[in-house]
Amino acid sequence: SYELTQPLSVSVALGQTARITCGGNNIGSKNVHWYQQKPGQAPVLVIYRDSNRPSGIPERFSGSNSGNTATLTISRAQAGDEADYYCQVWDSIHVVFGGGTKLTVL
Amino acid sequence: EVQLVESGGGLVQPGGSLRLSCAASGFTFSSYWMHWVRQAPGKGLVWVSRINSDGSSTSYADSVKGRFTISRDNAKNTLYLQMNSLRAEDTAVYYCARVQNSRFPNTAATDYWGQGTLVTVSS
Repeated sequence: SYELTQPLSVSVALGQTARITCGGNNIGSKNVHWYQQKPGQAPVLVIYRDSNRPSGIPERFSGSNSGNTATLTISRAQAGDEADYYCQVWDSIHVVFGGGTKLTVL
Repeated sequence: EVQLVESGGGLVQPGGSLRLSCAASGFTFSSYWMHWVRQAPGKGLVWVSRINSDGSSTSYADSVKGRFTISRDNAKNTLYLQMNSLRAEDTAVYYCARVQNSRFPNTAATDYWGQGTLVTVSS
């Protein structure tokens, strides 16, 4: 079965750029979606199809996908961006989530 | 406004059964694929099952195949998850979620999530 690998944690200084990676075999050939989840809340879609932002998501959130790595980039990180982030793809008829990355804003 | 409201969670003994419901509103429910996704306490998101818009096609994670059944009633705008032979490892918050409208729903994101319902399997 297909696996997605994310770092357990990423730290970023306030106002700096955070990059969260999602690794998978030839993930560049798949559509990657990213979700933000804050404690006690449901996940929120922040990037779909590699690099598209849903309405209401700040332009500070961007995504890319190539080769074996997809990346979620959060520019000018704010305290409110502290959350768990999950990447997701479809593998044939199944959906696969990465293990999640905890973003800490210092 | 899109709303997804889960219900039916609770405490159940190992080997028991439970049926979750998800009431949808604010969109044309019958046009969308739907998922169930779960999250064990302190753990990550895990996909459980999905169903297509008319209910004719379903798929399941290996961990629940043969024990869980996803279904929908488009007349009632409701999604269901029948869970049988429950195990301790099924303990989680269960979310229903809508698949983004797309020509290719089997590659699409999940754009709306309910708030979840907690299922606890314990004796």
